[in-house]
Amino acid sequence: DIQMTQSPSSLSAPVGDRITITCRASQSISSYLNWYQQKPGKAPKLLIYAASSLQSGVPSRFSGSGSGTGFTLTISSLEPDDFATYYCQQYNSIPLTFGGGTKVEIK
Amino acid sequence: QVQLVESGGGVVPPGRSLRLSCAASGFTFNTYALHWVRQAPDKGLEWVAAISYDGSSKYYADSVKGRFTISRDYSMNTLYLQMDSLRAEDTAVYFCARDRLTSLASWSFSYWGQGTLVTVAS
Repeated sequence: DIQMTQSPSSLSAPVGDRITITCRASQSISSYLNWYQQKPGKAPKLLIYAASSLQSGVPSRFSGSGSGTGFTLTISSLEPDDFATYYCQQYNSIPLTFGGGTKVEIK
Repeated sequence: QVQLVESGGGVVPPGRSLRLSCAASGFTFNTYALHWVRQAPDKGLEWVAAISYDGSSKYYADSVKGRFTISRDYSMNTLYLQMDSLRAEDTAVYFCARDRLTSLASWSFSYWGQGTLVTVAS
């Protein structure tokens, strides 16, 4: 199975900051990488698919990059609605696997 | 609009069975792959199973293979997860999710239900 490792596991930042979350795969997954946002008690929401493609309706302050084994999710200017937990997910091979999550909190 | 509504969760003793349902609406049911994803209390996400748009292909996580069965009913627009030989470690909120693309699966989950809680305990 492909292991997905996210860092940091949590971060604290003020509104307006630019933040970057990293996701590393245990082997190359090309660009088969998605990012999700999840708020407490809610279902996850797809933000980015295929490593860098913005899902319809997602604000342009979210962006994704990377290929192979290293990927990043960047929020260019944090807004109050962005405080949540973020997960990466690989779909290079079955079983599909998620990273452990990064919790973004208000500073 | 796309809606996925799970039901069937509850408290069940170890070793027993439970069947989850996911009623789908707002899209053409027979053109999308569907998935089950679970989340143990205060833990991360774990993909459980997937079924192709035509039901011909099914995929499972190793942790549930041989115990869980995914299926779909086109007349009822409903996805199912039959869970047998349940274990304490199966305790989680179970989400159904729709694939992002029609026909061939993209393995990306663009719509999710609200989830149903399964608790395996004596």
